[in-house]
Amino acid sequence: DQQVKQNSPSLSVQEGRISILNCDYTNSMFDYFLWYKKYPAEGPTFLISISSIKDKNEDGRFTVFLNKSAKHLSLHIVPSQPGDSAVYFCAAYSQGAQKLVFGQGTRLTINP
Amino acid sequence: AAGVIQSPRHLIKEKRETATLKCYPIPRHDTVYWYQQGPGQDPQFLISFYEKMQSDKGSIPDRFSAQQFSDYHSELNMSSLELGDSALYFCASSSGLAGGPSTDTQYFGPGTRLTVL
Repeated sequence: DQQVKQNSPSLSVQEGRISILNCDYTNSMFDYFLWYKKYPAEGPTFLISISSIKDKNEDGRFTVFLNKSAKHLSLHIVPSQPGDSAVYFCAAYSQGAQKLVFGQGTRLTINP
Repeated sequence: AAGVIQSPRHLIKEKRETATLKCYPIPRHDTVYWYQQGPGQDPQFLISFYEKMQSDKGSIPDRFSAQQFSDYHSELNMSSLELGDSALYFCASSSGLAGGPSTDTQYFGPGTRLTVL
């Protein structure tokens, strides 16, 4: 039972354009969501997070949107840069569980 | 800033051997998590410790065991290794139950790549 789903295994975007990565979840008990970025053979790096009481959080080029009624969140990267090419994991967290549930990841490729 | 340290970074073992992976959390973090990421798969939660006690258990095989020591570092012990244990093993740390959402964010180490031949 995949509680966090990233239905797009890969995404290609032109440099300078907007990258939109999507994530859906099924467990309404999740109260905190995070995005991680991962380069090959390295550990995931925390990017940005959002609490369930918010619907938007922005940090520089990265913005995360949360739609609780649809159980959907998205990560927007604008403008996209070549260094953004990596695998992006969506993760969901509940205070009670004290662990993260990861999605399958989306490989983002930024084309020059 | 200090990050999560994992050792060794690479480990090659043969089937039926044992392996011990070590994790040193960020200073003042009291919670440690272990994840396993197989080739082409998303990270799977194995086990976590808070204040040296096991706090949660995921899909950790019975052949594996783990503990957290008084200095908060953690070790993942893997016995009777199988080919399918070949994976990246990540350790993450956080400040545990004390703070709000921002302090519960998990910070990951670089991972240990285990290859079982």
